[in-house]
This record gives sequence, C-alpha cells and structure tokens, in this order.
Amino acid sequence: DQQVKQNSPSLSVQEGRISILNCDYTNSMFDYFLWYKKYPAEGPTFLISISSIKDKNEDGRFTVFLNKSAKHLSLHIVPSQPGDSAVYFCAANRSGGNKLVFGAGTILRVKS
Amino acid sequence: KAGVTQTPRYLIKTRGQQVTLSCSPISGHRSVSWYQQTPGQGLQFLFEYFSETQRNKGNFPGRFSGRQFSNSRSEMNVSTLELGDSALYLCASSIGTGKHGYTFGSGTRLTVV
Repeated sequence: DQQVKQNSPSLSVQEGRISILNCDYTNSMFDYFLWYKKYPAEGPTFLISISSIKDKNEDGRFTVFLNKSAKHLSLHIVPSQPGDSAVYFCAANRSGGNKLVFGAGTILRVKS
Repeated sequence: KAGVTQTPRYLIKTRGQQVTLSCSPISGHRSVSWYQQTPGQGLQFLFEYFSETQRNKGNFPGRFSGRQFSNSRSEMNVSTLELGDSALYLCASSIGTGKHGYTFGSGTRLTVV
C-alpha cells in the first residue's frame, strides 16, 4: 500500500522556468512532510519541509505548498537551474513517528 | 562535522550468502534508520534504532536484521541473499525526533548475482 505517491516519474523544464513537483498521500495521520533531492551515487539531501499546521513554506528558490483537504503537496522551484537536475523524493512522517514514508521519486531534468 | 559514513560503498555477493553493512552516524545522533532503494520503488523503510533499541520495523522478511552499538554505530545484516535484494541501502541518522533531522549517507550498492 503506497501511502505516498509521486505520480510523475519524470519532468523536463527549461532553465529559468518554474518546476512543479507533485506528491499525494493517503494517510491522514501524516503531519510533517519533507522533500529530498538525490544525485546519482549520493544519498538524499534534505531540501525543505512543512508542518501540517502550515500551508506554505519558502526557502530561497524552493517553496512547498500543502493542501491538507486534498492530501496533496507540491514543490516549486523558481527559477530552475541545470544543477537542480536530480531525483526528488517526497516523504511524510507523523507526530512521534520515527520513520519516513517516501514516494517513488520524480526525475527532474532542467535543460539549458 | 563529519557526515553519515556507510561502508562498503559497493558489494557483490552470490545468492545464498549473507552480508553485513555498516553505518556510522553523525556525532551526537542517536537514531539510525535503514532504507532500501530500488528502481521505481523509492526508499523503503527497513528499521530504526535508537540507543541500541529497535523502535520501528518495516515490512521486510526476517532475513533482514540490524543492530546498534553503544557508540550509535549500526550494522544491518541480510542472510540467504536473493537476487531481489540487489539495491542501494541507505542509512540515515538523526538526533532522535526524526523531524527534518534526517541526514543520509551515500549508501552501499549491493549486487547479488
């Protein structure tokens, strides 16, 4: 049972434009969401997170939006840069929980 | 500050063998989690240890086991290897609460032939 889904396996965007990566979840107990970025042969690195008490969190070029009623979150990258090309994983956690539930990932390619 | 260190980086084993992977967390981090990454499956949670105790376990067969030492270093063991165990095994450490504090190592790439 996939509790966290990233339905787009890949996304291609032109440099300078906006990249929007989407994630859906089914477990209403999740109250903390994270995005990780992963390059080949490296471990995932933390990008940005959001608590369920918020609907938006911003950090530089990265913004995460959370729609609790739709159980949907998205990561916006503006402007996109070639160095952003990587696999992006959405992950969810719940209060008191000590494991992350990950989506399958979305490969982002930013073309220059 | 040193990151999470996983050894070895690459490993090739034969079906039926057993393997042990090692993870040294960031200094001061007491929680160590293990994940398996396979193509198209994302990261699947294996187990999490805190202060030498397993706090949580994922849906993997009993062939997958782990432990944590008093210095927070952790090992995971896979016995009777199967071809389907070929994957990238990632270790993550955190202070303990798990909220945004997960730092991942570079992983061990295990190939079973």
